[in-house]
Order: sequence, then structure tokens, then C-alpha cells
Amino acid sequence: KNQVEQSPQSLIILEGKNCTLQCNYTVSPFSNLRWYKQDTGRGPVSLTIMTFSENTKSNGRYTATLDADTKQSSLHITASQLSDSASYICVVSMRGSTLGRLYFGRGTQLTVWP
Amino acid sequence: KAGVTQTPRYLIKTRGQQVTLSCSPISGHRSVSWYQQTPGQGLQFLFEYFSETQRNKGNFPGRFSGRQFSNSRSEMNVSTLELGDSALYLCASSLNRGDREGDTQYFGPGTRLTVL
Repeated sequence: KNQVEQSPQSLIILEGKNCTLQCNYTVSPFSNLRWYKQDTGRGPVSLTIMTFSENTKSNGRYTATLDADTKQSSLHITASQLSDSASYICVVSMRGSTLGRLYFGRGTQLTVWP
Repeated sequence: KAGVTQTPRYLIKTRGQQVTLSCSPISGHRSVSWYQQTPGQGLQFLFEYFSETQRNKGNFPGRFSGRQFSNSRSEMNVSTLELGDSALYLCASSLNRGDREGDTQYFGPGTRLTVL
């Protein structure tokens, strides 16, 4: 069964600290993996997109890694800020598929405290 | 460049009623997708429209329908509302089909639907 599992479900960290969010997937055949940030009451915003051949991609203080062999991805946030408080959603696309084959994780709710 | 806009932002309906939600994609984008987001289920794909044609559909009952106009604007309709339809409905647009690497989906702010 094609699934995307994210951990932890929620996370609280202090401002300035680093954190890492995990995404494990069983989607096959794999096309690409995306991380989205969703602020409360708003739509998701794309942070990174990675294909099979990419194992690291950065977007400012956000760095995503991908291990296609173990089907794991992580999102590392450096020097967290209060504005990083949001839900982070991992989305995996199946290769050769149409849009309906996007598999969503349930997200990690990150709270950054001052 | 204006982002994806959705109207209305908030809506309260009662069971049995029907509702129509509207989405205006980013100018030049031809694909519009709709998603339902609930705390329990997360984001779930409803359907995708491309060039006025429904290209894909998720596992939702026939009460959920949609359409896309020639200017790429899209509407979603839910008939005979149920309590479980209470959710945030998100619309996303992309230049072409939204699952390819180069085609980032841009989400709107969503419509918060509450069914009483």
C-alpha cells in the first residue's frame, strides 16, 4: 500500500535551535518528493522538490534530504525562528502517474517558542 | 503576479444544503486541483482540471463535483451537505499538469466550510 508517514506528529523547540522532521514513504515507483509549509489558516507553500537523483536540496534555512534506497526524507531547519511555527507536509508523487497519485503525509506541527 | 484566490474564505451551511466554492488560479496556469483538508485525514485529493476537462478524480462521492471555465477559473460544488464535509477546501494551480518536477503547485488560502 502506498503511504507517506511523517514523524514526529508534533514538535516544540526553542527559537534559535535546529530541528529535523522525518518522512518515510512506500510509494512506488517514485517520481518526486516535496516538502510544504502550511501556516495556520493558509494554504501550503512549497519549500523543496526532489527527484530520484537528488539527495539534498536547500531553500534558505531549510534543507531537505532524500534517500531513495531507504525511502526516507528529512527536512532540517536551522536556527529556527518564531515564523517557522507551522505544519510541514511531505508529499510523494508516483512516477508515470497523473496528479491523482500524489500521496500526502499528515504533517508535523512545529511550534517555536521564544 | 497575483496568487491563487479562493472565495469565499469562510462559509457556514446546514446539512442538506449545497455549496459552491470558487478558485481563480495564477494568471497563465492551466491546471487547477482541489483538496479537502481535515485534522483527522490531512490533505486529500478531490479532482484536477486541465483545459476545462477533469483529468483525475480522488475517492470522493458524487456529491462532490467541479468544473473549469475557459479562463481557467474553477468552481467546486458539494450537494446534500453532511456534517463530515466540514473542512478546509484548498485549491492549487500549476502551469501544466501538477505532478511533474518542474510544475510546482501554488495553493490558495482555502475556504473554511462549516456544516451545522
